[in-house]
Amino acid sequence: EVQLVESGGGLVQPGRSMKLSCAASGFTFSNYGMAWVRQAPTKGLEWVATISYDGSSTYYRDSVKGRFTISRDNAKSTLYLQMNSLRSEDTATYYCTRDWYTTDYYYFDYWGQGVMVTVSS
Amino acid sequence: DIQMTQSPASLSASLEEIVTITCQASQDIGNWLSWYQQKPGKSPQLLIYGATSLADGVPSRFSGSRSGTQYSLKISRLQVEDIGIYYCLQAYSAPLTFGSGTKLEIK
Repeated sequence: EVQLVESGGGLVQPGRSMKLSCAASGFTFSNYGMAWVRQAPTKGLEWVATISYDGSSTYYRDSVKGRFTISRDNAKSTLYLQMNSLRSEDTATYYCTRDWYTTDYYYFDYWGQGVMVTVSS
Repeated sequence: DIQMTQSPASLSASLEEIVTITCQASQDIGNWLSWYQQKPGKSPQLLIYGATSLADGVPSRFSGSRSGTQYSLKISRLQVEDIGIYYCLQAYSAPLTFGSGTKLEIK
């Protein structure tokens, strides 16, 4: 059974840093791209960042570029999101997702339960 | 950025009724479109990928279609367990963009 379990969230002051982790199990982690998707309270879904199966390629939305870093440790089957210079607008539930990419499709086929990040003084 | 205009924002329908949700892409995205269901208090789940392909384990009453740059999700016979918020996602180009969501309730 595929499982994605996020951790590392909580309350953080504006301008500070936080690192999220996502422990994956039930599949060969090193074969899949992964992504982070967030959802502000009572709002819709927003893609944050994607990393390729081997970590060689990363992609970010403009609002987090230069502040957030997505990375992975395939030996530990773990995905990370390092978030620096946090802003109030980064307050959201962050979901770890597994992506499925072919020449015809790209989609998120499994999602974690989510971890809440609150940026506030 | 590609805009995904989703409608309606909310929808109230009766059990067994046919329900249709649409997403209009601001440019051609081919079949790089997927649909997700988010039940209250839960994580989103994949329903449809490639605009028309049903994800594993998803009931056959769900279906997806495409007409040009307009994409539709149809629920053929609405069930109680279908309540939630539905989102489309375009993955044709970065940044990936979701529709604004459709909140589905039972009348």
